[in-house]
Amino acid sequence: DTAVSQTPKYLVTQMGNDKSIKCEQNLGHDTMYWYKQDSKKFLKIMFSYNNKELIINETVPNRFSPKSPDKAHLNLHINSLELGDSAVYFCASSGTPNQPQHFGDGTRLSIL
Amino acid sequence: KNEVEQSPQNLTAQEGEFITINCSYSVGISALHWLQQHPGGGIVSLFMLSSGKKKHGRLIATINIQEKHSSLHITASHPRDSAVYICAVYGDKLIFGTGTRLQVFP
Repeated sequence: DTAVSQTPKYLVTQMGNDKSIKCEQNLGHDTMYWYKQDSKKFLKIMFSYNNKELIINETVPNRFSPKSPDKAHLNLHINSLELGDSAVYFCASSGTPNQPQHFGDGTRLSIL
Repeated sequence: KNEVEQSPQNLTAQEGEFITINCSYSVGISALHWLQQHPGGGIVSLFMLSSGKKKHGRLIATINIQEKHSSLHITASHPRDSAVYICAVYGDKLIFGTGTRLQVFP
């Protein structure tokens, strides 16, 4: 009965590959987020969707594309992976954009 | 200078001590969020507040909107409180502090 689940938990791949990380929430929330946490443990928001509409799109390379097929899912697709993309990616959801967020366990992406 | 500053960056305490972690910000906000990241990496929401004070168990969060400052207090600290505590502010955009690493020793 996990509230926010991300898959995979670990992702090891080579530079130049394309990969996706999936996120699903069963809380009935309208808003979902993707965050990147770098090696210095600094959390930075990448995207946010509210009711399947993009509401936050921080300065992120075009290689990153979020996709929200429905309110319960927000997937992150990354093209042409680079070494600097190595990080932990967290998905989160909240009832509305200004309500407390529930986080997934994170996906550790390592680029070889 | 970061728009959200936390202090201290690192904090060690003995079990039972009263802990205070501070968050100062320089932008107008509608709300402030305190998060806890466990050593294993998981992130948990502790409080969301826009004024006054909130309490949950041994945790207390306060915010002073005029002074652009929030504090997170932990009473009777315990080794299981060891984690990184992060504040995030909701203004024009969501901005995170760099976190305070707390270690509580028995």
